[in-house]
Amino acid sequence: GQNIDQPTEMTATEGAIVQINCTYQTSGFNGLFWYQQHAGEAPTFLSYNVLDGLEEKGRFSSFLSRSKGYSYLLLKELQMKDSASYLCAVRDPGRRADSWGKLQFGAGTQVVVTP
Amino acid sequence: DSGVTQTPKHLITATGQRVTLRCSPRSGDLSVYWYQQSLDQGLQFLIQYYNGEERAKGNILERFSAQQFPDLHSELNLSSLELGDSALYFCASSVGSRHGYTFGSGTRLTVV
Repeated sequence: GQNIDQPTEMTATEGAIVQINCTYQTSGFNGLFWYQQHAGEAPTFLSYNVLDGLEEKGRFSSFLSRSKGYSYLLLKELQMKDSASYLCAVRDPGRRADSWGKLQFGAGTQVVVTP
Repeated sequence: DSGVTQTPKHLITATGQRVTLRCSPRSGDLSVYWYQQSLDQGLQFLIQYYNGEERAKGNILERFSAQQFPDLHSELNLSSLELGDSALYFCASSVGSRHGYTFGSGTRLTVV
C-alpha cells in the first residue's frame, strides 16, 4: 500500500510564494503528480516528476527526491484564483507494460490566498 | 472540456436504490479509472479498466461494480445505496502520456 501525507491547509497573501510539501511511503513508484482542484470541480493536472530534481512550469514548480520519498509544489506570485486544494498523487507501476497503474492521492492541501 | 465525459452530472436517489454512472474516455485512451470523493475527503481509487479488462481494484464495496464496453465507455453500478455513498464520483482516462490522467467533471450523487 501507500501512505501519502501533505498539510491540511496553508494560507498566504496575494503575490507571495507558498510551498506545499508531500511525503510518501510506497510499495512501488512510477511518478508523482500534482493536481489542482477547485471545490466541486474535477482535478486538473499541474505537474509530473519521475526523476529527481526540479520541474518548472510558469508560476508553478515541482521538486522530487525519490530517496527521501519527498516532493514539493511551489506556487509563486500567488493570485486569488490559486485558492484551491492541491493534491499530491503517486502512480503505481502498472501490472502490465501496456497500461499505467492507478494514482493514489493524498488528502489534499487547501491553499487560501488572502488580499 | 477535458474530453472525458461523465453523465449524469447530478443524481438524487433514495436509500436502497441502484444507479448507473457513465463515463466516456478521451478519444484514444484505453484506460479508465473510477474514483470516489466524499465531502472533505481525498480521492479514493475504486477500480481500473484497460481495453475492457479489469486491471486494478481499490477499496470498492461489494455493492459496487463496473465494466468497460467494446467502445471503451465504462459504467459504474452502485446498488443498495446508503446515505454514506453520497459523494462525487470521478472517472479519469489515460493513454500513458506524461501528463497523466484526465478527469471528467464528475457525477454528484446524493442519497436521501
